Amino acid sequence: DARVTQTPRHKVTEMGQEVTMRCQPILGHNTVFWYRQTMMQGLELLAYFRNRAPLDDSGMPKDRFSAEMPDATLATLKIQPSEPRDSAVYFCASGTGTGTGNTIYFGEGSWLTVV
Amino acid sequence: EDQVTQSPEALRLQEGESSSLNCSYTVSGLRGLFWYRQDPGKGPEFLFTLYSAGEEKEKERLKATLTKKESFLHITAPKPEDSATYLCAVQALGNTPLVFGKGTRLSVIA
Repeated sequence: DARVTQTPRHKVTEMGQEVTMRCQPILGHNTVFWYRQTMMQGLELLAYFRNRAPLDDSGMPKDRFSAEMPDATLATLKIQPSEPRDSAVYFCASGTGTGTGNTIYFGEGSWLTVV
Repeated sequence: EDQVTQSPEALRLQEGESSSLNCSYTVSGLRGLFWYRQDPGKGPEFLFTLYSAGEEKEKERLKATLTKKESFLHITAPKPEDSATYLCAVQALGNTPLVFGKGTRLSVIA
């Protein structure tokens, strides 16, 4: 059963610390998305990649967030330094990026709490 | 700017009480409209994609329909296991990322 894998599932960290979240997309999927979910804003797009190239990261605070895709099986989202307002669930999703209506599949999320 | 508005925010039903969830959207040109289900502590799970007005899709007790301005998720004779948050998303032409609504939180009481 193919699925998107995210680590860590839960993370509690102190303000100012670096946080790195990792995502393994579904094998064969060439498009990877990072979304953040909060009660107030719902699901917001942070960044996405196609064929490992970053296409849009306008949803991320550039001064503290960075997203990379070192290879086809790994995407990372890094926050440095972290702040309490970054507390949220971060979802990675992947899709094929082709065809009519591109279904994307989500991981279980990384639940981040910054204290 | 593409926008998705879902209503109601929360819905409480008795088991067997059918109802509908609404997803209104504005998009420059619709490539696809998506419905997902999200259980507490889990990631969104794909349910349906609709591509054009008039299209309908069904899965068990769920039926999704699409017009040029909105989509409905009809739930027939719901059961407690249908309790979840239902998310609607649109994708515009040009292969852009999905834009999500804030969801409808459905509770089905036995």
